[in-house]
Amino acid sequence: GAVVSQHPSRVICKSGTSVKIECRSLDFQATTMFWYRQFPKQSLMLMATSNEGSKATYEQGVEKDKFLINHASLTLSTLTVTSAHPEDSSFYICSARDQGERLYGYTFGSGTRLTVV
Amino acid sequence: KQEVTQIPAALSVPEGENLVLNCSFTDSAIYNLQWFRQDPGKGLTSLLLIQSSQREQTSGRLNASLDKSSGRSTLYIAASQPGDSATYLCAVYTDKLIFGTGTRLQVFP
Repeated sequence: GAVVSQHPSRVICKSGTSVKIECRSLDFQATTMFWYRQFPKQSLMLMATSNEGSKATYEQGVEKDKFLINHASLTLSTLTVTSAHPEDSSFYICSARDQGERLYGYTFGSGTRLTVV
Repeated sequence: KQEVTQIPAALSVPEGENLVLNCSFTDSAIYNLQWFRQDPGKGLTSLLLIQSSQREQTSGRLNASLDKSSGRSTLYIAASQPGDSATYLCAVYTDKLIFGTGTRLQVFP
């Protein structure tokens, strides 16, 4: 089945630094990837839709200059949290879909736990 | 704007009980609905996927139904076990995947 690899699984960074999270589709090409954020004991909130070769589409209230998304190839999307602050500490998870997603559903990465100190 | 709500928010039951988790959505124009399980601090595990043209899907002790016209889905868990303890999320797909609020389930021995 479809596999999505997300790295790193955990990262601790100092306030003011930037952190890059990678999301790779291992056995299929993903023209679209989604980035979600999850606070403790809450559901997943969609942050942005990443489209290969074009600009990402951000959800209302998400700062595009703070959460930079790059989808340079059909198998890789990256989320960079710039100038991170403690309030950015959260669980970030990506999802990828291929052309068969309506039949086969979505595949998710294992998530990245970001802690900003 | 699509809104997805799950009831109950939390549930604690003794093992062996049959359970029903509810999911409702405001925009019935969906392509499919997917149920996931999430263990604490972990990613998502897909449980069942129901296409918009389908009424239900079954996998082992799990059965999910979909009534698109009324904007509802239910996840039925038969003979619950302590290993079923997790958060259960439903998600609907239109042009993007929107998640419900989740149900935290605890099954005690």
